[in-house]
Amino acid sequence: GDSVTQMEGPVTLSEEAFLTINCTYTATGYPSLFWYVQYPGEGLQLLLKATKADDKGSNKGFEATYRKETTSFHLEKGSVQVSDSAVYFCALSGQGAQKLVFGQGTRLTINP
Amino acid sequence: DADVTQTPRNRITKTGKRIMLECSQTKGHDRMYWYRQDPGLGLRLIYYSFDVKDINKGEISDGYSVSRQAQAKFSLSLESAIPNQTALYFCATGTSGLNEQFFGPGTRLTVL
Repeated sequence: GDSVTQMEGPVTLSEEAFLTINCTYTATGYPSLFWYVQYPGEGLQLLLKATKADDKGSNKGFEATYRKETTSFHLEKGSVQVSDSAVYFCALSGQGAQKLVFGQGTRLTINP
Repeated sequence: DADVTQTPRNRITKTGKRIMLECSQTKGHDRMYWYRQDPGLGLRLIYYSFDVKDINKGEISDGYSVSRQAQAKFSLSLESAIPNQTALYFCATGTSGLNEQFFGPGTRLTVL
């Protein structure tokens, strides 16, 4: 079945550091890919998405590119802020499935 | 006003008790979902409903039941709660043609 694997956390960085959170997936066909973010005490919010190969999703300085050849959707940000501290989830929606499959989440802490 | 609301936000109960978690949405979406979040496991799908007359089991439905009372309301019940059902529960909504989902703030359930 479909699955998503994220780099294990927790990840701790200093403010203004470069961030990469790795995400790889297994799916048949052409899934849609998502990054969701969960701030402390809140529900999940969609951060960005990509629906076809080579698409780049971007939002709030974060970017991720849909790489079908490596089945990856790594999340990057050039300069993180303390306010980016949260749990980040990579997810996919299989072609026509209308269900999300989540990775295990990566907790990110940014120190001032 | 929040588009997806969950009640209660926190609940502590005892083993063997019946518990109902409620979800309401004002987004007009036809699809609703219940997920469970455990540390290190991401979110796992419990049940989902594509319309009022359509209820489907997710990957971890054992010990849970649901009711779709109206398009805007989707309740999750634990008939006889057990300690390993202690978790954070999220409701989400979606609609056909839009493969992202929108999450409520979550209910933290503790079963003693």
